[in-house]
Amino acid sequence: SQQGEEDPQALSIQEGENATMNCSYKTSINNLQWYRQNSGRGLVHLILIRSNEREKHSGRLRVTLDTSKKSSSLLITASRAADTASYFCATYSGGYQKVTFGIGTKLQVIP
Amino acid sequence: EAGVTQFPSHSVIEKGQTVTLRCDPISGHDNLYWYRRVMGKEIKFLLHFVKESKQDESGMPNNRFLAERTGGTYSTLKVQPAELEDSGVYFCASSQVASGKNIQYFGAGTRLSVL
Repeated sequence: SQQGEEDPQALSIQEGENATMNCSYKTSINNLQWYRQNSGRGLVHLILIRSNEREKHSGRLRVTLDTSKKSSSLLITASRAADTASYFCATYSGGYQKVTFGIGTKLQVIP
Repeated sequence: EAGVTQFPSHSVIEKGQTVTLRCDPISGHDNLYWYRRVMGKEIKFLLHFVKESKQDESGMPNNRFLAERTGGTYSTLKVQPAELEDSGVYFCASSQVASGKNIQYFGAGTRLSVL
């Protein structure tokens, strides 16, 4: 598997439902971040979780990190049509914070 | 405050031609990164500048790619000559390392289509 590999690669849900995306990685990290990309736009930083943290919240986003399993999950609660986008996890490691991205999860929220 | 800007947003060229992509980082950010996403694959690191110096260029695919950052401000990425497999979206990001975090702020990307 690849560093920062997201699962599932595509997800389609109804508006109001929760969406959960998972990410696995291979090497030790300084922190892990989730990004969103709307079609035709750049990557937008959503949330950062440090390697010594287990859970982080930001609005409707909840991120967990399990360093023993080298995995993270992103939960979007009460999804909206505007949440339709691709979501990427990115691991930061090394002195100069080299970033490794996964393939991403394409989320479609149906109104 | 302006974000990371990239130009052009889309470029369509023929195989063998030259293309130059430009990235203007957020003012004051010393770190500048280039990434590429080929369709259906992950976003891959190309290289990292700290000011005008190349800190890490381990991701550059081959010598047809040349990145510069004269004066430590904007950066250019030139592909010469372009090949079909160079098609993809090229992202630029910038950051200012602080307090153990390194949040990279990304531009909208340049979509390169090589025909």
